Amino acid sequence: EAQVTQNPRYLITVTGKKLTVTCSQNMNHEYMSWYRQDPGLGLRQIYYSMNVEVTDKGDVPEGYKVSRKEKRNFPLILESPSPNQTSLYFCASSLYGGANQETQYFGPGTRLLVL
Amino acid sequence: ELKVEQNPLFLSMQEGKNYTIYCNYSTTSDRLYWYRQDPGKSLESLFVLLSNGAVKQEGRLMASLDTKARLSTLHITAAVHDLSATYFCAVGVGGTASKLTFGTGTRLQVTL
Repeated sequence: EAQVTQNPRYLITVTGKKLTVTCSQNMNHEYMSWYRQDPGLGLRQIYYSMNVEVTDKGDVPEGYKVSRKEKRNFPLILESPSPNQTSLYFCASSLYGGANQETQYFGPGTRLLVL
Repeated sequence: ELKVEQNPLFLSMQEGKNYTIYCNYSTTSDRLYWYRQDPGKSLESLFVLLSNGAVKQEGRLMASLDTKARLSTLHITAAVHDLSATYFCAVGVGGTASKLTFGTGTRLQVTL
């Protein structure tokens, strides 16, 4: 089944404790992206990747890191989480980015609480 | 800074009625996307609009794009309860047009 998976789905952590949220897709998509969703603010893009080893900042990259060493995986790293990073996070992928970008497929979401 | 505004933010409508959701954006772009999100769920892609004048229809939903006016519309025809959800538009910008900025969403409630 074609899908985007995220792990963990739920996470409670404390300020300053490094964490990684994994994202994996099995559709051989070139484009992958991370978003956070907060009430009243909609979705905001954190980082995106056009292909392996090609990443770029979205609108809210501060406090986050990403890497794209393999086509299928795009982990989101919070080196020193803070309470303002409490949010619902979505990973998404599409076949291409840029002018040829078509449908994005979203993962199920990761709900993060930073105490 | 790109701004993407959706109107209305909340819409309550009766089954069988028609209505339009508007998505205005503040910078040049010819890529506009519509998504649906059910409560507690992830997002589902509805429409991809890649050129001025693009119109796409799926069931009771029809989306259009006017790049000159920087406006996209999502028209709902003869609404049914199953269409109750939050609808987001997103605009593609940037040199490679891969950065996406979302509107804040329109929560649609269709009452029986």
